[in-house]
Amino acid sequence: SQQGEEDPQALSIQEGENATMNCSYKTSINNLQWYRQNSGRGLVHLILIRSNEREKHSGRLRVTLDTSKKSSSLLITASRAADTASYFCATESLYSGGGADGLTFGKGTHLIIQP
Amino acid sequence: DGGITQSPKYLFRKEGQNVTLSCEQNLNHDAMYWYRQDPGQGLRLIYYSQIVNDFQKGDIAEGYSVSREKKESFPLTVTSAQKNPTAFYLCASSNFRGTYQPQHFGDGTRLSIL
Repeated sequence: SQQGEEDPQALSIQEGENATMNCSYKTSINNLQWYRQNSGRGLVHLILIRSNEREKHSGRLRVTLDTSKKSSSLLITASRAADTASYFCATESLYSGGGADGLTFGKGTHLIIQP
Repeated sequence: DGGITQSPKYLFRKEGQNVTLSCEQNLNHDAMYWYRQDPGQGLRLIYYSQIVNDFQKGDIAEGYSVSREKKESFPLTVTSAQKNPTAFYLCASSNFRGTYQPQHFGDGTRLSIL
């Protein structure tokens, strides 16, 4: 079942601009993770935010989490052509029991950085 | 370097044929997963394994089978019962210590029907 839904489905911006993408989910979570996928490749883990955290930074990435609205956002600052990729949010359900099955992925936002 | 290796990168299946996708990891991770990705879609879980000799069905297990005889290896067989096998298949692994463990992915196998 699809837990997370990213918005927008596609985003095209100029190099140097900031890119913001959003993720909404339905059930209570333990944590939320963001991944990047370059065309034809596997996913790469970017950042994990726990349910008791509101904001987290990693380099040019900033993730926020609002559990009351069941939503998260990923901000990429000073975008580069190499940031062109699909970005997925993935949630670990509070009801997974911490098991390996608990991660559910959204459909992704396709980000294009125009040089 | 530690990582996950999937092979082959491209695979073609004939009607009525079973094919096996390989996934090997040297990260010493306990848990391994198989996902299916269709164009423009997210990942759907096929099977996962938390420990050797044990595995569980995911959301779309019908038409697929797996084995976990070694910690490092988690092969996926796409059987002839899977009527729409054309997709991008991703293998992943993670440490299994409850929550908070990110998954590491291989570079996928693209399966097509001849």
